[in-house]
Amino acid sequence: DAGVTQSPTHLIKTRGQQVTLRCSPKSGHDTVSWYQQALGQGPQFIFQYYEEEERQRGNFPDRFSGHQFPNYSSELNVNALLLGDSALYLCASSRVRGPNTGELFFGEGSRLTVL
Amino acid sequence: AQTVTQSQPEMSVQEAETVTLSCTYDTSESDYYLFWYKQPPSRQMILVIRQEAYKQQNATENRFSVNFQKAAKSFSLKISDSQLGDAAMYFCAYREGQGGATNKLIFGTGTLLAVQP
Repeated sequence: DAGVTQSPTHLIKTRGQQVTLRCSPKSGHDTVSWYQQALGQGPQFIFQYYEEEERQRGNFPDRFSGHQFPNYSSELNVNALLLGDSALYLCASSRVRGPNTGELFFGEGSRLTVL
Repeated sequence: AQTVTQSQPEMSVQEAETVTLSCTYDTSESDYYLFWYKQPPSRQMILVIRQEAYKQQNATENRFSVNFQKAAKSFSLKISDSQLGDAAMYFCAYREGQGGATNKLIFGTGTLLAVQP
């Protein structure tokens, strides 16, 4: 049973560029969330997607956007990259209904470096 | 707004000994969950233990147990018989509500645990 998978694992961008990160949830999960983890900090909630809609959003600017596809996979897009966007981006999935609802499983993250 | 505070940036324990990691939180909600996650150098967050706020009994998972003090808003993690593989960053996290509708976790800043052989 594959867990949460994320791609790419590492990437380097320059200021002003745009980036897309991808996430496939754990089998049987239907909701995906994204977190930003700066070096030495705890993860910060960006947003959550369920039924292909953004359901909840943290304190992040509109430069951060996302999408969920019918197969429950998700993308995180960041436009006009700033140096401060350098971080580990974590994807987490869970199921909204059924057993063990709300138990989050995390991927290994995508390490973004902005130069 | 809810907050989670971990006041111990780093801790160290001898192999086979016991260590306790501290966490306090602030919320005005009555229904919520608390979690301890482990993040080794591989970066993947791994759930160690969870506690539902409505349960008075402290959660236990093998060598891991919590001391949940709801009135004091305290949620500490005890690791017994520490093993080298326990070395990692440990995060305390809060989630409001019941069920699976929200995935919004609020994390503390973490405690880096070193295990000495």
